[in-house]
Amino acid sequence: QQQVKQSPQSLIVQKGGISIINCAYENTAFDYFPWYQQFPGKGPALLIAIRPDVSEKKEGRFTISFNKSAKQFSLHIMDSQPGDSATYFCAAGYGNKLVFGAGTILRVKS
Amino acid sequence: KAGVTQTPRYLIKTRGQQVTLSCSPISGHRSVSWYQQTPGQGLQFLFEYFSETQRNKGNFPGRFSGRQFSNSRSEMNVSTLELGDSALYLCASSLDSATRGSPLHFGNGTRLTVT
Repeated sequence: QQQVKQSPQSLIVQKGGISIINCAYENTAFDYFPWYQQFPGKGPALLIAIRPDVSEKKEGRFTISFNKSAKQFSLHIMDSQPGDSATYFCAAGYGNKLVFGAGTILRVKS
Repeated sequence: KAGVTQTPRYLIKTRGQQVTLSCSPISGHRSVSWYQQTPGQGLQFLFEYFSETQRNKGNFPGRFSGRQFSNSRSEMNVSTLELGDSALYLCASSLDSATRGSPLHFGNGTRLTVT
């Protein structure tokens, strides 16, 4: 119940395309859903986060879509750029606990 | 503001040895969390310290331990190292709980290799 399932494991997108990464959870106690971006040799950095009282949050080219009834949330990267190539982690949290997905390696081809 | 600093960056140890990793959080941050990152497993939560007290613990054996000092700096210790402990160990600091809107700020990690 504490797991967060993330898919796909890896993703290749053409420059200018839309990258979509999906996550699913079981524990309905989760009330905080952040996405982290990690470049090689660096620690993850917070990209964008959402709470379940909204269905969508957009920050620049990055959008989180949240479906509470399906217990799923996704990250959309619009107009994907080669500089977006990184590993993306979704996470879900409640209280002081934060559980991460296994990560998605995104490669944007120029 | 200086970011989260982890030392050392790389470590090579032998099975059975013990190791201590160090983390200096961002100034003013009282929460320090530790994660283990391995390929395919993502980020596995080890423990979190807040004001010198362990507030949360993940599902790792007792060989993994940590502590936090009064200046919020934290250390993580792994005893009786096993080959499977080879991983990137990440430290993250935050003002308060990451789930209450205080984002986690990660260091660049310590790469531990056990031979």
